[in-house]
Amino acid sequence: GAGVSQSPSNKVTEKGKDVELRCDPISGHTALYWYRQSLGQGLEFLIYFQGNSAPDKSGLPSDRFSAERTGGSVSTLTIQRTQQEDSAVYLCASSPRRARVSETQYFGPGTRLLVL
Amino acid sequence: AQRVTQPEKLLSVFKGAPVELKCNYSYSGSPELFWYVQYSRQRLQLLLRHISRESIKGFTADLNKGETSFHLKKPFAQEEDSAMYYCALSRSSGGSNYKLTFGKGTLLTVNP
Repeated sequence: GAGVSQSPSNKVTEKGKDVELRCDPISGHTALYWYRQSLGQGLEFLIYFQGNSAPDKSGLPSDRFSAERTGGSVSTLTIQRTQQEDSAVYLCASSPRRARVSETQYFGPGTRLLVL
Repeated sequence: AQRVTQPEKLLSVFKGAPVELKCNYSYSGSPELFWYVQYSRQRLQLLLRHISRESIKGFTADLNKGETSFHLKKPFAQEEDSAMYYCALSRSSGGSNYKLTFGKGTLLTVNP
């Protein structure tokens, strides 16, 4: 079956504009995660969804960042009033059941965001 | 706080040579450790995890709690092992045990 998909694959925007990044998890996966990888940095956890709810938003760097998930499937990460430091690769991952350490996280190809 | 350190950004070896990718961690509790790999133009994928104690593609990793290390090893490197390798850590139990903390990665190049 298809893996995790993300769109767009690349996004160039101007500082101050809003952007939406989309993630389609593997069908039937209930847990969904967003990570960010800035240049020269490791992957940084942003937010975790179980179904449509987000019990852990602790990694969101500021209130300009928000995310939602609908129908227990597609998730959208929105960045408002983008700043140059938001430039990064945004990765989405999903896992089959309730998130726990034994669950493998399956990653999407990422969205490369460049804020000019 | 959790922290994962991969001291080598780049590692280059010849085919058939042994390879060791270093990973050190900082965590006050009991950790679970993972290695993820990203081959060229492919997505990030799990290579192996400590709790499974398995060998994948000839790679092994041993958790050394005394040295707080989880180095990845392979006795004979192959060209197809060339990739970016990330070490990651999570709690072994309790809340937030799904949250992975990643190192910055080591780019392994295996030369013919």
